[in-house]
Amino acid sequence: NAGVTQTPKFRILKIGQSMTLQCAQDMNHNYMYWYRQDPGMGLKLIYYSVGAGITDKGEVPNGYNVSRSTTEDFPLRLELAAPSQTSVYFCASSQVGGGGYEQYFGPGTRLTVT
Amino acid sequence: AQRVTQPEKLLSVFKGAPVELKCNYSYSGSPELFWYVQYSRQRLQLLLRHISRESIKGFTADLNKGETSFHLKKPFAQEEDSAMYYCALVASGTYKYIFGTGTRLKVLA
Repeated sequence: NAGVTQTPKFRILKIGQSMTLQCAQDMNHNYMYWYRQDPGMGLKLIYYSVGAGITDKGEVPNGYNVSRSTTEDFPLRLELAAPSQTSVYFCASSQVGGGGYEQYFGPGTRLTVT
Repeated sequence: AQRVTQPEKLLSVFKGAPVELKCNYSYSGSPELFWYVQYSRQRLQLLLRHISRESIKGFTADLNKGETSFHLKKPFAQEEDSAMYYCALVASGTYKYIFGTGTRLKVLA
C-alpha cells in the first residue's frame, strides 16, 4: 500500500493564481482531512470529510474548497492564492473519525505564494 | 475552546538522560489524547495514544485529568529519538484533532 499520497511536493504560486492540491489514499478510509502548518505553529484543520460526498469546514476554511467524489480522493482547491496561504499542507486519513483511531499522514505539500 | 499547549519549542538532552515533553490541554470533557512524531524526512506518525496505555519505543504518557496534562516521558534518551513531537487532542464525539505547536527534541551524543 502507498498509504496517503500528495502531489505536488512543492509549488510556487503568484498572487491570484489558483491550484489544486491532490490527496489520495488506498486504505479504504472513510475519514480524510486537510491541515495547514505555518512555521512554528501546530497543524490547523482546514476541511475534513467523513465519506464520499460529505465534507465540512474545519478551523481555517477561508480561501479553500474541497470535494470528495470518491473514497480515495480528497483534493483541496485554492481559488485566489494569497501570501497568507504560504504554508505546508498535509492530508491525512483515518479508518474511523474521532478519538482512538490513528490518522495516517501524507508527506506534505510546501506551497509558497508570492 | 479546546486547546493544546506544548510550552517548549526545543528540548535538548544528552544521550542516556531522562526526557519529559510537556503537554497541557484545555477541554472540559473527557478528551482522547495522542502523541505524534515526525522524524527527519519522514511523515508525521502516531507514537502513542492514552487509551491504549502502551509504551512505544520506551516512551510512555499518562493522562492527568487534575492537571490537564499528558506529558511524554522516556527514562533514557537515545539519539534516534531526535524528532519533532506533537501532542494532539480529540474532543469526544467529534472528528477534529487539535494539535499543539510541537516540541523539537534533540538528543546529544
